[in-house]
Amino acid sequence: QKEVEQDPGPLSVPEGAIVSLNCTYSNSAFQYFMWYRQYSRKGPELLMYTYSSGNKEDGRFTAQVDKSSKYISLFIRDSQPSDSATYLCAKTGKLIFGQGTTLQVKP
Amino acid sequence: SAVISQKPSRDICQRGTSLTIQCQVDSQVTMMFWYRQQPGQSLTLIATANQGSEATYESGFVIDKFPISRPNLTFSTLTVSNMSPEDSSIYLCSVVAASSGNTIYFGEGSWLTVV
Repeated sequence: QKEVEQDPGPLSVPEGAIVSLNCTYSNSAFQYFMWYRQYSRKGPELLMYTYSSGNKEDGRFTAQVDKSSKYISLFIRDSQPSDSATYLCAKTGKLIFGQGTTLQVKP
Repeated sequence: SAVISQKPSRDICQRGTSLTIQCQVDSQVTMMFWYRQQPGQSLTLIATANQGSEATYESGFVIDKFPISRPNLTFSTLTVSNMSPEDSSIYLCSVVAASSGNTIYFGEGSWLTVV
């Protein structure tokens, strides 16, 4: 089993939809969880990070961690075409990435 | 935050040759990493670049194929040796920025195509 599992998609939604991106992890050691966004032909860009269970909001983005079920989620409200990218979840110490979910938001 | 510059940004290389990728950070950082992202895939950690000592390689990666240098706290190089088409990939440098709550930042990547 991989340490971080993520559905690669692709995921296609209409503009304005709420997007839910999910990952599961297998190692319960204390760690940070991160979400990165990667546009085509660009390096990953950090969106959010969190280390505690519960929700963390930043604008249209909400990161959620459920340590009891080892589940991490990223919600995007009012999705825009500019949100079309690959979203990668990751956990620290060494940064271990999920496979990435490709999101397309159609206008 | 940390600003990371990678060179070259892209290159086309001949089979059997070697290429060195440079990573320059605008501030001193304790930890630097090298990742590979093969076409359509996620990022895979190659090694941790240790300042003043040998790099720590992940399973499946060896020093002879991917020698790494880190002479100081702002600079590192990754060499891809004896390249084959299977080495065609994006190579990314990343750093931990203690000044930003240990956030991990990435460079824009070096896009290598081996022909």
